[in-house]
Amino acid sequence: DVVMTQSPLSLPVTLGQPASISCRSSQSLVHSDGNTYLNWFQQRPGQSPRRLIYKVSNRDSGVPDRFSGSGSGTDFTLKISRVEADDVGVYYCMQGTHWPRTFGQGTKVEIK
Amino acid sequence: EVQLVESGGGLVQPGGSLRLSCAASGFTFSSESMNWVRQAPGKGLEWVSYINSTSSVIKYADSVKGRFTISRDNAKNSLYLQMNSLRAEDTATYYCARWGYSSGGSSWGQGTPVTVSS
Repeated sequence: DVVMTQSPLSLPVTLGQPASISCRSSQSLVHSDGNTYLNWFQQRPGQSPRRLIYKVSNRDSGVPDRFSGSGSGTDFTLKISRVEADDVGVYYCMQGTHWPRTFGQGTKVEIK
Repeated sequence: EVQLVESGGGLVQPGGSLRLSCAASGFTFSSESMNWVRQAPGKGLEWVSYINSTSSVIKYADSVKGRFTISRDNAKNSLYLQMNSLRAEDTATYYCARWGYSSGGSSWGQGTPVTVSS
């Protein structure tokens, strides 16, 4: 199975400051069709997950542009340009290239 | 508005069975692949099963293979998960979810809790 490793697992951030979460996969996530199926999900406290980013860097509709995704191959990053109170929660990367689908352990973002 | 509404969770004894349902609305259910994902209390997300739009491709996590069966009824806009031989480690909130690769192509239900305990 493809292991997705996130870091850090806990991320205290000051409001208005940037934040960055790393996600590394144990195998390349480049699919035979040429796409890289790497998603980022946000789970706010007490809520269901919500996708923010698909195929590495594409923002879902309604996602603020302070969220951005980047990376390639086995190394990916989610960045929040200026953290707001609404961003508190756990962030998961997930690969959709290989079976079984696998999630990272999650990164808990909290306000300092 | 896209909606996924799960039902069927509850308390069951080890070795027992449950059938989860997910009612979909607000999108063309018959055209989309669907997934079940679970989350044990206080833990992260675990993908459980996948079914494509025509039910011709079905996948399972090793942890549930041979015990769980995913199915769908496109005429009823519904997704199902039949869970047999349940174990304590199956205790989790179960979400139905879609994550098509287009903007706005992802939705999750509110989840239904399953507790396996004697």
